[in-house]
Amino acid sequence: GQQLNQSPQSMFIQEGEDVSMNCTSSSIFNTWLWYKQDPGEGPVLLIALYKAGELTSNGRLTAQFGITRKDSFLNISASIPSDVGIYFCAGQLDVFGNEKLTFGTGTRLTIIP
Amino acid sequence: NAGVTQTPKFQVLKTGQSMTLQCAQDMNHEYMSWYRQDPGMGLRLIHYSVGAGITDQGEVPNGYNVSRSTTEDFPLRLLSAAPSQTSVYFCASSYLPGLAGGFFFGPGTRLTVL
Repeated sequence: GQQLNQSPQSMFIQEGEDVSMNCTSSSIFNTWLWYKQDPGEGPVLLIALYKAGELTSNGRLTAQFGITRKDSFLNISASIPSDVGIYFCAGQLDVFGNEKLTFGTGTRLTIIP
Repeated sequence: NAGVTQTPKFQVLKTGQSMTLQCAQDMNHEYMSWYRQDPGMGLRLIHYSVGAGITDQGEVPNGYNVSRSTTEDFPLRLLSAAPSQTSVYFCASSYLPGLAGGFFFGPGTRLTVL
């Protein structure tokens, strides 16, 4: 089945640093989503993007829907300890949501004391 | 609202045993789905349902059965457990069929098959 290429696989940063991660696909999507998963919990939606070129923020998080519709980016500014977790991108083809989500393999974020 | 609930939270099975993973939501969502999460693989869709009485296969359906007799419940059945089914299983629901922004995930069931 199709999977999204998400990079980097893991990141080790110090508190206060900015974080960037991205997701690429060989095919286009009409919706891009970013989720965060805390240990022992299910993924929680952070940002949803519905239009090519769209740039959306949610507090310290900013995500962009790539112009080619084949990629998306997530940035976290001034990281804090609660940002630790696994970040997943997900793409959906049908704008009305009839197609299933395709998930990336995740980026594990660790903050070094 | 309790959101999406899953039981049990942990389960250990022996090869060949059967069991049912329960999923329920109290948000009157039409769309429900089951994913499995394996290290380095992200989440992969097992089965989904767009409403009561309607189910369909996802990316990795083999070894799993589902049914949707009510809007609220979407159980996942393992007929004869295999070690390859060791994974974390997540149930998700959405108000509109598959509407991406409205996906709510349950807390997961961690299954080990010996």
